[in-house]
This record gives sequence, C-alpha cells and structure tokens, in this order.
Amino acid sequence: DTGVSQDPRHKITKRGQNVTFRCDPISEHNRLYWYRQTLGQGPEFLTYFQNEAQLEKSRLLSDRFSAERPKGSFSTLEIQRTEQGDSAMYLCASSPGSERSEKLFFGSGTQLSVL
Amino acid sequence: GDSVTQMEGPVTLSEEAFLTINCTYTATGYPSLFWYVQYPGEGLQLLLKATKADDKGSNKGFEATYRKETTSFHLEKGSVQVSDSAVYFCALGGGKLIFGQGTELSVKP
Repeated sequence: DTGVSQDPRHKITKRGQNVTFRCDPISEHNRLYWYRQTLGQGPEFLTYFQNEAQLEKSRLLSDRFSAERPKGSFSTLEIQRTEQGDSAMYLCASSPGSERSEKLFFGSGTQLSVL
Repeated sequence: GDSVTQMEGPVTLSEEAFLTINCTYTATGYPSLFWYVQYPGEGLQLLLKATKADDKGSNKGFEATYRKETTSFHLEKGSVQVSDSAVYFCALGGGKLIFGQGTELSVKP
C-alpha cells in the first residue's frame, strides 16, 4: 500500500490557461473520487469513477472541467480556461469499492493558484 | 439536499482537557457518518465511522455516537494530547461523502 499519489503538489497558472492534474490511486482500488477544497471549508465532491466508468458528476463540475480514468487505474482532471475562482486544493481519493460505507484513502492534493 | 454542520473553530484546549466537537446533519434516508482528520502537512484520513443509528465509532481514544433522534454525531475525547492538534471533518454518505466545514483543534502543553 503505497498510498494515493497526486501530481503536481502545486500548480501556478495564469487565468485562461489549461491545467491537468494526475491521481494514482492505491493499486486495485476500483473507486476513485475527486474533491475540491477551499481555505476554511471541507472538501466538496466533484466526480467519481467505478473502474473506468464515470458514474456521477457534481453540478460544481462546469463544462470547463473534465475527468478521465481511461484504464481504470490512474485518473486525470483537466480544467480548461482557468478562472481565479478555480484556485483551490484538488483532492483525489480511492477505495476498494467492495462496501457502501468503506474508508476513503486521500492523497495530499494538488494546490492550484490561478493568477 | 444533504448537509453537515460543525461547530466553528478554532478550538484551543490545554493538554488532558475534555474535547467535544459538535456535528449535526440533514439527510434523506440513513447515511453512514464519519469523522476524518487532517494533521498538519498530511492528507485526510479516517478517524472513525458509524453506519447505523446508535452505533458508536471509536479510535485512538476518540468516540462518536450516531444519534438519529437529534441528527448528531458529536466527536469526544476524554483527554486530549498535543499530538491531537489537527483539523477534524464530520462527513456523511456512503462512497461519495458530504463534508462539514472542518473544526481546527489546537492543544497546548
């Protein structure tokens, strides 16, 4: 169990640029989640995958956001035409996918700053 | 929609003091309830959970009881340590989680 890893740890970009984040879940975890966290707030759900299928997307996920998990392993989250309001910590989590109330394993996150 | 409300922080306590962090929720159905903790510089990790009414979750001296009648899941610890300093998040759901805003706890020696 090497944990959930996210890359990069920090990303600074200019408004209007595209950014992509990567998440590597724990090996053999079927479920993968993306959350967004702003300062002083709890994580907000964005989307989740069961294997390679994206099963739910939050209304927070505008058309500028897209997530993929092409082979059911790692996942990418892309934000197009970034806005200052996109500045936040983007968290990835994974879980085995065998129980309804199972523990989520979180990565350390990618901190995005949009200038 | 479903939501979680936590007491506001920061909470500052002396070592060995009693801790309570309040958490109430609004939900349809019977969700599972969780406490996650985020230590400085680390990712969120599960502290404890309860999956049905009257269940008590416990871990590392922390406890919380799923109270359906008061829609609450308050976190308690009898004697806090400096190493308990962290941000605590109450959450509900199953798989996809809905989090409260977090409560920062600072324990002084």
